[in-house]
Amino acid sequence: ETGVTQTPRHLVMGMTNKKSLKCEQHLGHNAMYWYKQSAKKPLELMFVYSLEERVENNSVPSRFSPECPNSSHLFLHLHTLQPEDSALYLCASSQESGKTSLLYNEQFFGPGTRLTVL
Amino acid sequence: AQKVTQAQTEISVVEKEDVTLDCVYETRDTTYYLFWYKQPPSGELVFLIRRNSFDEQNEISGRYSWNFQKSTSSFNFTITASQVVDSAVYFCALSEAGRGKLIFGQGTELSVKP
Repeated sequence: ETGVTQTPRHLVMGMTNKKSLKCEQHLGHNAMYWYKQSAKKPLELMFVYSLEERVENNSVPSRFSPECPNSSHLFLHLHTLQPEDSALYLCASSQESGKTSLLYNEQFFGPGTRLTVL
Repeated sequence: AQKVTQAQTEISVVEKEDVTLDCVYETRDTTYYLFWYKQPPSGELVFLIRRNSFDEQNEISGRYSWNFQKSTSSFNFTITASQVVDSAVYFCALSEAGRGKLIFGQGTELSVKP
């Protein structure tokens, strides 16, 4: 595998389900990100992890719970979602200078998980 | 407040035409970074360019060129002699130094017809 991979590519879930999205980067980067891309809305940065530590949580509802067990893996745990949470969820990674200089550099994106909440 | 505006929602051109995608940004910081990304139908965003606020030199890379003007807070992207493979959604983004925030514009969907 190369670059950034995401699984599953498509997910349909009910509002009471619990599911997880997985992201893996094979680039040796030290920062990883979750984005939400909804129709007709700009890309929204949800979570930022630097050196496996969450640095930024951009006012995301608690029904989204990220986890970064190591520098190569990032998860997004989902529970009791709403239909408006249906979107494309993108993972990205980059190599940054440190926690105080994030989001300066080129990000490499995965193909995304298309989530539909019924 | 930090903001990125891409006023053109959709642009349609015929192959070999030149096309410019506009990006206007707002920031209170003096140090910031601007980016352009391309999102083809496959969904993965692909990095095109990064520019920091202290470097106003225009850049050319093959058929792509970028015009950064701090006086008008704009960072426009021009594709010369467009090709069908250029069809994608293009995003402009702004990162303010040290704030840990990256703001994307709404995106411009470019359609290049043969």
